[in-house]
Amino acid sequence: DAGITQSPRHKVTETGTPVTLRCHQTENHRYMYWYRQDPGHGLRLIHYSYGVKDTDKGEVSDGYSVSRSKTEDFLLTLESATSSQTSVYFCAISEGDRDDEKLFFGSGTQLSVL
Amino acid sequence: QQQVKQSPQSLIVQKGGISIINCAYENTAFDYFPWYQQFPGKGPALLIAIRPDVSEKKEGRFTISFNKSAKQFSLHIMDSQPGDSATYFCAANSPGGGADGLTFGKGTHLIIQP
Repeated sequence: DAGITQSPRHKVTETGTPVTLRCHQTENHRYMYWYRQDPGHGLRLIHYSYGVKDTDKGEVSDGYSVSRSKTEDFLLTLESATSSQTSVYFCAISEGDRDDEKLFFGSGTQLSVL
Repeated sequence: QQQVKQSPQSLIVQKGGISIINCAYENTAFDYFPWYQQFPGKGPALLIAIRPDVSEKKEGRFTISFNKSAKQFSLHIMDSQPGDSATYFCAANSPGGGADGLTFGKGTHLIIQP
């Protein structure tokens, strides 16, 4: 699993509360990604990072923010969770340089917003 | 705008049969076409990938067929086994785009019946 750990694995929260998901990697990969997976939508990119403090938006970034203060950690924050953010969230890394499209995914976080 | 269309959404195949999943794309700039396999409770894992300079790539029982003129590519699983039961995602990437340029299909839920 390329040394990727996501936490928590499961979380239930209420609408309007802030939520932070953590992705930790052990192999100093430069590129890290957050995806969400929903039935009928496949995998959609939320945000990605190309280095410490270097991040950019993906396809579905509204309502999400990210931070990367250390190479090994990439945090995804839902500032005020909504029911539409109920989903499975996956962190991924790509090995090598920017042109290496091979992604390695973590095991995911199941988030339920009630 | 769905840039990669995947079909069927679900597929049931008898053990020993051939499983075929199809994808079509619009963006002629795409130059890398991977397939990911996902088991329940796990993150997707890269299965096999192809670039448009070849029409076919085979790895064990898994084959990608690529038709550049039709802008279509497909995954064939020969001698399908119950252990192949999983969700499969096709994807496509733009040149030099890195994994942030990766667009996924919506997925195919494959069931291999014993």
